[in-house]
Amino acid sequence: DQQVKQNSPSLSVQEGRISILNCDYTNSMFDYFLWYKKYPAEGPTFLISISSIKDKNEDGRFTVFLNKSAKHLSLHIVPSQPGDSAVYFCAASGRTGSTLGRLYFGRGTQLTVWP
Amino acid sequence: DAGITQSPRYKITETGRQVTLMCHQTWSHSYMFWYRQDLGHGLRLIYYSAAADITDKGEVPDGYVVSRSKTENFPLTLESATRSQTSVYFCASTPRRDTQYFGPGTRLTVL
Repeated sequence: DQQVKQNSPSLSVQEGRISILNCDYTNSMFDYFLWYKKYPAEGPTFLISISSIKDKNEDGRFTVFLNKSAKHLSLHIVPSQPGDSAVYFCAASGRTGSTLGRLYFGRGTQLTVWP
Repeated sequence: DAGITQSPRYKITETGRQVTLMCHQTWSHSYMFWYRQDLGHGLRLIYYSAAADITDKGEVPDGYVVSRSKTENFPLTLESATRSQTSVYFCASTPRRDTQYFGPGTRLTVL
């Protein structure tokens, strides 16, 4: 039973436009959320995170929004660049029980940014 | 160099053989993890370790064995490889419970 879901396996966006990647979670014990970016033949790299005490976190072109009541988060990339083309994984962690110390990953969304 | 490394980067083996994938980190991170990445499944946790000599199962532990005698090393062994274990394997580490840092991966093919 997947606790972190990325329902869009792929997204195609024109260069310069906004990319919005979505993620839903089911476990109310999750209190920390992360996005990872993965290029082919490389390991995932950390991109941005957000704690459940916040509803927004920005880092340059990347902004993550968290809607706790809807158990939904999204990653906005503005403006999108061809170098952003990669697989993006959403992940979550919690502070107690079986969620402690672990990250739960979604299945990923392949973002393609075309010129 | 500081960081997390995996070896080998590519491995081809046959069904029934034992295979060990190595993971080494130079940060002295407490937590270490093994994941496998398969098309349509994302990253699935195989085993993890909170400290030396402490390991625990993840989502898909069957057919795998881990050990952690030293903080910096976390080898993953496939005792009798099967075709379903053909995958890309990633090791990760973290000093605390959140952001994990991943190695470059090992692509394993079981014939």
